[in-house]
Amino acid sequence: EPEVTQTPSHQVTQMGQEVILRCVPISNHLYFYWYRQILGQKVEFLVSFYNNEISEKSEIFDDQFSVERPDGSNFTLKIRSTKLEDSAMYFCASRGGDGSYEQYFGPGTRLTVT
Amino acid sequence: GESVGLHLPTLSVQEGDNSIINCAYSNSASDYFIWYKQESGKGPQFIIDIRSNMDKRQGQRVTVLLNKTVKHLSLQIAATQPGDSAVYFCAEDTGGFKTIFGAGTRLFVKA
Repeated sequence: EPEVTQTPSHQVTQMGQEVILRCVPISNHLYFYWYRQILGQKVEFLVSFYNNEISEKSEIFDDQFSVERPDGSNFTLKIRSTKLEDSAMYFCASRGGDGSYEQYFGPGTRLTVT
Repeated sequence: GESVGLHLPTLSVQEGDNSIINCAYSNSASDYFIWYKQESGKGPQFIIDIRSNMDKRQGQRVTVLLNKTVKHLSLQIAATQPGDSAVYFCAEDTGGFKTIFGAGTRLFVKA
C-alpha cells in the first residue's frame, strides 16, 4: 500500500540554524500539508499546498517557514532560524484529487532544537 | 475564532464494550469532519469522515454522528478491542485546505 515517507526521523539542531524536513507524498496525490505536534498536545495545522502554491497557512507559519516542491516527488518544509519552541513532531500529509478529503500522514520527523 | 475541542481527555472501557468519544466544534462554516486515530510514535490515521449535509455515517465497527444544532460530533466504536487503544482526534475542515484538530481523547481498553 502506498504511504507517505518522511526524513529524517529525528533531527537535532542548534538554535538559529536552518533545517529542512523532507517528505515524499503518495505519488498521485495533489494536495500536500505540514502539521506539527508539540509533545502531548494536539496536532496543529501549518500549511497546505496545491498546484505549486500555498493554499492556506496558519498563524504559526510565519516568515521563518517556507515550503517547496522542488521536483515531482519531494515536499519540503524549511525553518530558516530555528527557535527552542520549534521543537516538535512535524507531520507531512497528502491527499488525492478524487473528491475525498482523506489525508494520509507520514510517520513524522522529531525536531529537537537545543 | 474557530476551535474544535473534546469533552474528556481520557476514556477507559472494558474490552468488548462500546466506546463513545465526543467532540464539540465552534465553526458553523466547517463542511467536513474527520476522526483520526493516533497510536504512540505514529502519525494520525484516518478513521471515518462525515460531511456537514449528513448526520450519521457508519464504517467498519465505527459510527460518526454529527449534530449541527449543538455543534457536536461523536465517534462510536463497537466491541472495543485492545488494538483500539490510542488517542483519538476530531478535526474539522473547510474546503479541504485547512484542517483544525481538537485536543484529543486517550482511549484505554482494559482486557
